[in-house]
Amino acid sequence: DAKTTQPNSMESNEEEPVHLPCNHSTISGTDYIHWYRQLPSQGPEYVIHGLTSNVNNRMASLAIAEDRKSSTLILHRATLRDAAVYYCILRANNAGNMLTFGGGTRLMVKP
Amino acid sequence: DTEVTQTPKHLVMGMTNKKSLKCEQHMGHRAMYWYKQKAKKPPELMFVYSYEKLSINESVPSRFSPECPNSSLLNLHLHALQPEDSALYLCASSQGLVAGYTQYFGPGTRLTVL
Repeated sequence: DAKTTQPNSMESNEEEPVHLPCNHSTISGTDYIHWYRQLPSQGPEYVIHGLTSNVNNRMASLAIAEDRKSSTLILHRATLRDAAVYYCILRANNAGNMLTFGGGTRLMVKP
Repeated sequence: DTEVTQTPKHLVMGMTNKKSLKCEQHMGHRAMYWYKQKAKKPPELMFVYSYEKLSINESVPSRFSPECPNSSLLNLHLHALQPEDSALYLCASSQGLVAGYTQYFGPGTRLTVL
């Protein structure tokens, strides 16, 4: 399975944008890039996913590099509620629907 | 309704006990999953059910026994567990096993084995 690399932790100020990077240099052409996050004492929740083009939804934006070897999750205005562990996960189209979580990035948001 | 419920929230059991964890979803999803999460670690997949049949068993010890009695319900039967099995057990569901389907997670059952 292609692997992802994320910083262990990041810090942000409340109401400022946050850019969470993910490297996936061995990504294959059919791998989707998914982001989930896990708030304290909760199960993971879906954030966003994409294949080649940048994606936006009500929670976040996903910017995918042209060579697809890296991507960035963008939270436009961090709130205290966004403090969580963010997981960048590659999912192959032919590998079923399993999620293989890496270490993730722990995002801390300061008021 | 995008909720996956899990009961109990907390469970403490001895190594000789038999207990069960329960997971329920009413989204019409046909794939359900069990994950195990140790403290400060990412979740790890244990089992996958598709249309009530076991699809994937990630080499989990037989003291963990999953069961899917119907499309809405997933159980995990526990017997003769070890203290190192103490963890958060997460249940998830998705529409199916195609890679694009979002997985919806429950809040988990925190298990302590004494």
